[in-house]
Amino acid sequence: EAAVTQSPRNKVAVTGGKVTLSCNQTNNHNNMYWYRQDTGHGLRLIHYSYGAGSTEKGDIPDGYKASRPSQENFSLILELATPSQTSVYFCASGEGLGGAETLYFGSGTRLTVL
Amino acid sequence: GDQVEQSPSALSLHEGTSSALRCNFTTTTRSVQWFRQNSRGSLINLFYLASGTKENGRLKSAFDSKELYSTLHIRDAQLEDSGTYFCAAEHYAQGLTFGLGTRVSVFP
Repeated sequence: EAAVTQSPRNKVAVTGGKVTLSCNQTNNHNNMYWYRQDTGHGLRLIHYSYGAGSTEKGDIPDGYKASRPSQENFSLILELATPSQTSVYFCASGEGLGGAETLYFGSGTRLTVL
Repeated sequence: GDQVEQSPSALSLHEGTSSALRCNFTTTTRSVQWFRQNSRGSLINLFYLASGTKENGRLKSAFDSKELYSTLHIRDAQLEDSGTYFCAAEHYAQGLTFGLGTRVSVFP
């Protein structure tokens, strides 16, 4: 089974500070994704990647950057954190076989921006 | 969100009973995935369907791409089936669009 590991599990940041959320997957999946989960909105796609060096905007990319330095690692970066970015963030990976892929999720990172 | 409508929003089941969850799609959907989120927040993939039906133990899912809906049946509900169930639609852009979830509570 795919292993997707997120760090940290919990993070408290101050408004205006920089936050980096990390994700590592060990199954050599091509595609990786960052979602946030909020009550009333479900999970919404922020950024995704097709492979090392690739980052693409999802449905709600504003205020976020992403970095995919290697097949295994995908980071989500908040350059200037705001309280509206308080949420639970999930990373996922998928095989990326022409769109027919099962997604495997990490355990989530709970971010609080004060 | 708007493109994936899940119902009901909450469901209470006695142990041993059966019920169904439903997702309606407002646009053409290439495939659907069902996930369960447990009390710790972990999301577990239950099914991936591009068409037809799949069964895994007491869970069975169906996807009708023409009629734009998918169902998830829970048979002989057990306490460990409690959690929030999400369906997610794969459209023709990358990534999944999630519904808002159905909170399932199974009690003795």
